[in-house]
Amino acid sequence: GAVVSQHPSWVICKSGTSVKIECRSLDFQATTMFWYRQFPKQSLMLMATSNEGSKATYEQGVEKDKFLINHASLTLSTLTVTSAHPEDSSFYICSARWRRRHEQFFGPGTRLTVL
Amino acid sequence: AQKVTQAQTEISVVEKEDVTLDCVYETRDTTYYLFWYKQPPSGELVFLIRRNSFDEQNEISGRYSWNFQKSTSSFNFTITASQVVDSAVYFCALKTSYDKVIFGPGTSLSVIP
Repeated sequence: GAVVSQHPSWVICKSGTSVKIECRSLDFQATTMFWYRQFPKQSLMLMATSNEGSKATYEQGVEKDKFLINHASLTLSTLTVTSAHPEDSSFYICSARWRRRHEQFFGPGTRLTVL
Repeated sequence: AQKVTQAQTEISVVEKEDVTLDCVYETRDTTYYLFWYKQPPSGELVFLIRRNSFDEQNEISGRYSWNFQKSTSSFNFTITASQVVDSAVYFCALKTSYDKVIFGPGTSLSVIP
């Protein structure tokens, strides 16, 4: 099956710093990528949808200025958490899809801890 | 409204027991897709099955089976002869015409040896 990678797999940062998370589709072209956030013992919540070459579409309640998403190529999307605070500590998962196929392929996730 | 409900928050079974995880969904769309994912402690989601709204056939894959009933808007998942490796959080998910995947709250399954 299709493979999606994320880097880093975990990151610890100080409050106020920015953190960038990469999501790559390794063996297919991802026309659409999705970013999810998962707090401990909770479900995955969609943060935003990004189509290659277009601005991301954010879900209600997600601050677009805080969570910057760039999908500049068909194999790479990045999520930058700007001025991170402890409440941003979470598990961030990306998924990727080719065109409008129904299958999304999930990355292994990135665990962010903000001290 | 699009919604997925998994009423069982946590389930514990003894190894080799059968266990059924319930999933009830809500959507007004006539075309939609249902999924089950497994999330082991490592966190990585493992895709288990996809079913579209036009295909109500039940499916069996090894020890796993799925019962899709449109009349009750349910898509239940049964593990037969459970094993310790089945311990994980299981998510039921719904994809509709809005093109977003909505996840249920998840059911945490613990299989005790």
